Formats: sequence, C-alpha cells, structure tokens
Amino acid sequence: GNSVTQMEGPVTLSEEAFLTINCTYTATGYPSLFWYVQYPGEGLQLLLKATKADDKGSNKGFEATYRKETTSFHLEKGSVQVSDSAVYFCALPSQGGSEKLVFGKGTKLTVNP
Amino acid sequence: DAGVIQSPRHEVTEMGQEVTLRCKPISGHDYLFWYRQTMMRGLELLIYFNNNVPIDDSGMPEDRFSAKMPNASFSTLKIQPSEPRDSAVYFCASSPIVYEQYFGPGTRLTVT
Repeated sequence: GNSVTQMEGPVTLSEEAFLTINCTYTATGYPSLFWYVQYPGEGLQLLLKATKADDKGSNKGFEATYRKETTSFHLEKGSVQVSDSAVYFCALPSQGGSEKLVFGKGTKLTVNP
Repeated sequence: DAGVIQSPRHEVTEMGQEVTLRCKPISGHDYLFWYRQTMMRGLELLIYFNNNVPIDDSGMPEDRFSAKMPNASFSTLKIQPSEPRDSAVYFCASSPIVYEQYFGPGTRLTVT
C-alpha cells in the first residue's frame, strides 16, 4: 500500500519565521495528497489538498505543491503566528481506489511570540 | 451544524470493565470513521462505515473491540473487556466525500 514519511519534530519557531515541514510519499500512480492539522485538545481538520501532480493546495497562508518528480508534498508558510502552533499530518489514500487515508506520524510545531 | 459530537470526552475505567464510546456524525455525511491515537503508534484507523454499513474493520485490534452504526446519526465503539493498553484518544470522523474527513474532539480513555 501507499505510505508517507514526515520530518520528525518538534519544530520550534519564532513568530513571523518561515516554515517548512517535509513530507515524502510512496504510492502507486498519482493519488490525491492532503495536509491535516490538529490544534491542542481538538481533532484533526483538513488544511489543504492537491488532487494531481503540480497542483498547489493553499489555505490560511499555508501552501503545498504536489511534486511527482521528488514524490514530495512539503508544507510551507511564509510567516507563522503563535496561533499556528499545532500538530501537522501529511496523508494520502492507503491504496488506489481505497476510501481509507494513511497518515504520517505528525510534526509538532510550536511558535513563540 | 455542531460538527461531529463525541461522548464522553474523558473516560477513566478499571481493567476488565466494558467501555462504550459514542459518536454523532455531521448530518448528511455518508462515511464514518473510528480512529485511535497514541504517542507510540500515531493515528490508526480502526473501522469505517459507508451508509451505516461496515466496510473495513481490518484495523480493529482484536475481538474485544466492536463497532456499530444502527442509523445515520449514531455510532458506538465498544471495548469489552478493557485493558490498560487500550488507553488512547479515540476519534470519530465523518465525511461527505471520500478523504475530506471532519473529526470530532475525541474521547480520552484511561484504563487503570
């Protein structure tokens, strides 16, 4: 089945710093790719997605580009805020045609004022 | 809509006791997923339903776990008997279309 590898955290940044969280995947074909975010004490929520190669997903200032050449979907934000402190999960379908997602282990981000 | 509702939010029980976790999905969502999250194993899919029918329960750890969805508004995850290694946060998520899942706030289960 498909799999995903995320950079291990935790990541600690100062407010307004640039953020990159790396995500690489192994998959058959070109599945949709997702970033989910989990704020403290809450469930996960969809942050952004890309459905085909070279697509760029974006939301709340975050971006990620689907790069089939490097099998990557890195999450970026130009200027982080304290409110971005959360755990970020990269995800993709478990296999072609499957309705299940497989999630990375998550990367914890802490942004200090 | 109030989002996915889970109850209880916290549950502390003794080993050997029966535990029932409850979930009310978002109205109109055809898919319902149960996950378990621990520090060691991360987020694991236990089972999911489509239109109230269990589709894949391959993630259910063992026979002590069971899940039901008697109607489109309600699902339960039961553990009987519970063991300390079942301690985790259990999430329910619902989805109107595949992959865009809306998670509930979770139930933190502690088995002593």
